[in-house]
Amino acid sequence: TQLLEQSPQFLSIQEGENLTVYCNSSSVFSSLQWYRQEPGEGPVLLVTVVTGGEVKKLKRLTFQFGDARKDSSLHITAAQPGDTGLYLCAGEGAQKLVFGQGTRLTINP
Amino acid sequence: NAGVMQNPRHLVRRRGQEARLRCSPMKGHSHVYWYRQLPEEGLKFMVYLQKENIIDESGMPKERFSAEFPKEGPSILRIQQVVRGDSAAYFCASSPRERGTQYFGPGTRLTVL
Repeated sequence: TQLLEQSPQFLSIQEGENLTVYCNSSSVFSSLQWYRQEPGEGPVLLVTVVTGGEVKKLKRLTFQFGDARKDSSLHITAAQPGDTGLYLCAGEGAQKLVFGQGTRLTINP
Repeated sequence: NAGVMQNPRHLVRRRGQEARLRCSPMKGHSHVYWYRQLPEEGLKFMVYLQKENIIDESGMPKERFSAEFPKEGPSILRIQQVVRGDSAAYFCASSPRERGTQYFGPGTRLTVL
C-alpha cells in the first residue's frame, strides 16, 4: 500500500516568515502533485512534478521532487495571510491519487 | 469552460436512508474518480470509472456503496442504508485520459443524522 506522510500537520506563523512543508513516502511515484484546498471547496492543483530532482517555482512557492521520486517539499517565502489554507500532496499511484493527510497552514497578520 | 460539477453541495440523511451524489465531469473528460474526505484529513480514493465501466473500485466499501458512469448523464455515487460513519465530504474528479491531470469538483458534504 502506498502511503504519503505530510509534515507538519499544522503550522501557524507570522506574516513575512518562510516555511517548508514536507511530503515523504517509502514508495516511488511517477509524479507528485500539490493542491490547495479552501474550506467548503475542492482541491485546486498548484503544480505537478514529474522528474526526480525537479524544482518548480510559482511566485513565492517553490516545489521540489526528490531525486528518488519518493518525497517532495513545498517552500513558501515571505508568507502572506492569503496563503492560509490546507495544502495537500498527492502521488500518482496505479490509476489513482494517493493523498497525504494535509498541512493546515495559518499565516497571522 | 465549466469545471467539474457536483450536486447537491450539501445532503442531510437519516440513518437507513439512501444518498445519491452526482458528478458531471468537465466537457470532453471521460474518466471520473470519487474520493472521500474526513475532517482535517486528506482524500481517500474510492473508485475510478470510465464511461459505462468501473476500472478500479478497490477503495470502495463492499457493502452499501455503488458507483456508475452511464453513457449519457452524470456519474452517480450511491450509498444505501447510510450510517453516521458515512458523514464526510465526497469529491469527484475528472480527467481527459488515463493518468491525466485530475480536476476536482467542489464536493458534496453528506451529514447522516
